[in-house]
Amino acid sequence: NAGVTQTPKFQVLKTGQSMTLQCAQDMNHEYMSWYRQDPGMGLRLIHYSVGAGITDQGEVPNGYNVSRSTTEDFPLRLLSAAPSQTSVYFCASSYVGAGEWSYEQYFGPGTRLTVT
Amino acid sequence: GESVGLHLPTLSVQEGDNSIINCAYSNSASDYFIWYKQESGKGPQFIIDIRSNMDKRQGQRVTVLLNKTVKHLSLQIAATQPGDSAVYFCAENSAGNQFYFGTGTSLTVIP
Repeated sequence: NAGVTQTPKFQVLKTGQSMTLQCAQDMNHEYMSWYRQDPGMGLRLIHYSVGAGITDQGEVPNGYNVSRSTTEDFPLRLLSAAPSQTSVYFCASSYVGAGEWSYEQYFGPGTRLTVT
Repeated sequence: GESVGLHLPTLSVQEGDNSIINCAYSNSASDYFIWYKQESGKGPQFIIDIRSNMDKRQGQRVTVLLNKTVKHLSLQIAATQPGDSAVYFCAENSAGNQFYFGTGTSLTVIP
């Protein structure tokens, strides 16, 4: 049981380049999400998904796309990288069951992205 | 305590003492709250959660208190240990699927 895995760990992009950050979980969680973490700003939600085929925008979705074709994978695509997207990106997943009230999110180790 | 938009507060405590970390949340409709611990270079780790119909919830060495009247949340860590040194975040939820995080409090435990 690997939990939530993210690749790559580090990435440097030039302005205008595109790339995909990978996220996978092996816990059969319905809910998955992407956050970015900037110094002094805490974590901000980019996009989330409540199940395969369903995605929705979070607090800061501009410049990012997501898809959820399987329960396990939730990739985050940067369409045209900008210096403002320099940040640490975290993927998280949780189980949301009927009657459950606790949403313990499991976070991946993060991807540190620098855009020059 | 922490709140959205403020610089990262810091707290230093002596090993063995109790720690109290505070969080002011913004949305009076928030009905679910989580405390996370984040060690350097790692992702956040769930510590404890609480629903708005509770005032207090206890875990192992941790207690979360919720005061809805003043929109305030606190995390109490008993007998703080060096391994507790980390940044602590509170997160609030009001819409079921979106969590909003505070800016965090950095806890340093002095041996």
